[in-house]
Amino acid sequence: DAGVIQSPRHEVTEMGQEVTLRCKPISGHNSLFWYRQTMMRGLELLIYFNNNVPIDDSGMPEDRFSAKMPNASFSTLKIQPSEPRDSAVYFCASSYHTPGGGKGYQPQHFGDGTRLSIL
Amino acid sequence: AQKITQTQPGMFVQEKEAVTLDCTYDTSDQSYGLFWYKQPSSGEMIFLIYQGSYDEQNATEGRYSLNFQKARKSANLVISASQLGDSAMYFCAMRRTGYSTLTFGKGTMLLVSP
Repeated sequence: DAGVIQSPRHEVTEMGQEVTLRCKPISGHNSLFWYRQTMMRGLELLIYFNNNVPIDDSGMPEDRFSAKMPNASFSTLKIQPSEPRDSAVYFCASSYHTPGGGKGYQPQHFGDGTRLSIL
Repeated sequence: AQKITQTQPGMFVQEKEAVTLDCTYDTSDQSYGLFWYKQPSSGEMIFLIYQGSYDEQNATEGRYSLNFQKARKSANLVISASQLGDSAMYFCAMRRTGYSTLTFGKGTMLLVSP
């Protein structure tokens, strides 16, 4: 089975440019997560979607960041304008969330990440 | 708020030995899930093992096992017969009932030497 697919794997761009990161979740998963990982702050949840609807975007740093999920098989994270402090590895993850919780929890499966460098 | 603590920034182990990576958590929930992920130097996050708070048995997955002590709120990862390929960063994470999100610890770097 195909895992979570992220593109691009690496992105180097100049400050002020728009950056778009893409994610294709695992088929059948109904929850999608965007994370950012830096040495200083570790893994931070930026936003997550359930059934294509943004549920919690409290981790989004500021208005320069936006995320969309137009359908169950695609999501984007956009940074406009980009700044050097946005340099990080950005992960997308997906899972199947059982309504009502229950006693079993499905793990989140991560993509390989996008290593973003803003010069 | 949920909190995951991994007190060992780094661990060293010799090949073929067992190693325990510590994880303690703080929650007032009765029902929750605990996860371990591995992040090798190549950067990807790999799911290793899961333990539910109501599971009576400790989880095992090949050479990985989880030493779950609910009263002590600890969920230590045990890797038996370490291999060079086990050298990586290891993250402990927790998920609350009714929530999709994970709370991650800061990780433990494991180095396996020949």
